[in-house]
Amino acid sequence: DAGVIQSPRHEVTEMGQEVTLRCKPISGHDYLFWYRQTMMRGLELLIYFNNNVPIDDSGMPEDRFSAKMPNASFSTLKIQPSEPRDSAVYFCASSWGDRGYYEQYFGPGTRLTVT
Amino acid sequence: GDSVTQMEGPVTLSEEAFLTINCTYTATGYPSLFWYVQYPGEGLQLLLKATKADDKGSNKGFEATYRKETTSFHLEKGSVQVSDSAVYFCALSDPGNTDKLIFGTGTRLQVFP
Repeated sequence: DAGVIQSPRHEVTEMGQEVTLRCKPISGHDYLFWYRQTMMRGLELLIYFNNNVPIDDSGMPEDRFSAKMPNASFSTLKIQPSEPRDSAVYFCASSWGDRGYYEQYFGPGTRLTVT
Repeated sequence: GDSVTQMEGPVTLSEEAFLTINCTYTATGYPSLFWYVQYPGEGLQLLLKATKADDKGSNKGFEATYRKETTSFHLEKGSVQVSDSAVYFCALSDPGNTDKLIFGTGTRLQVFP
């Protein structure tokens, strides 16, 4: 299996621009998670989906952030407009829920820099 | 609610030293426990896991034993290498309570030659 795939790996953009991060989960997994990691705040869960349905978006910082999962093999995290404080590494992870526990597999991350 | 507490870092060791990173948890059910490792510039990778009390997870020379009586899952390695320098995250899965993983804050390990 190819693992969780994220694109782009690096993104540099100017303040005010729209940013779209993409994730392809592992085939057969029914959960998808978006995390943000910074030095100051550590690893934060932003939102997660089960069977393509958003379950908990309480970690989404504000209305500038939105996430979608149109099908089982693709999800996007969009920031519009972007701000310098959004600079972070964004991780996508997936898991499956039929094992009695939820072991997550992480992608390599997208490093976002907003100038 | 469920929570995971890890020792503060960084942990600084010389090569071949013994490593312990403490992890304790609070859970309402019967959780499974995990250690994840994040090498510089990479995503988190599962290092080892234990799904019930008294289980020992092991991988790459690392070990951790699920201790229900002390609600702990401490990570140990007998002889660390420079290549073990990374951030280590303890996590729990409590399916009866949540379908998320609950992560600790992470402990940075620095190993010097």
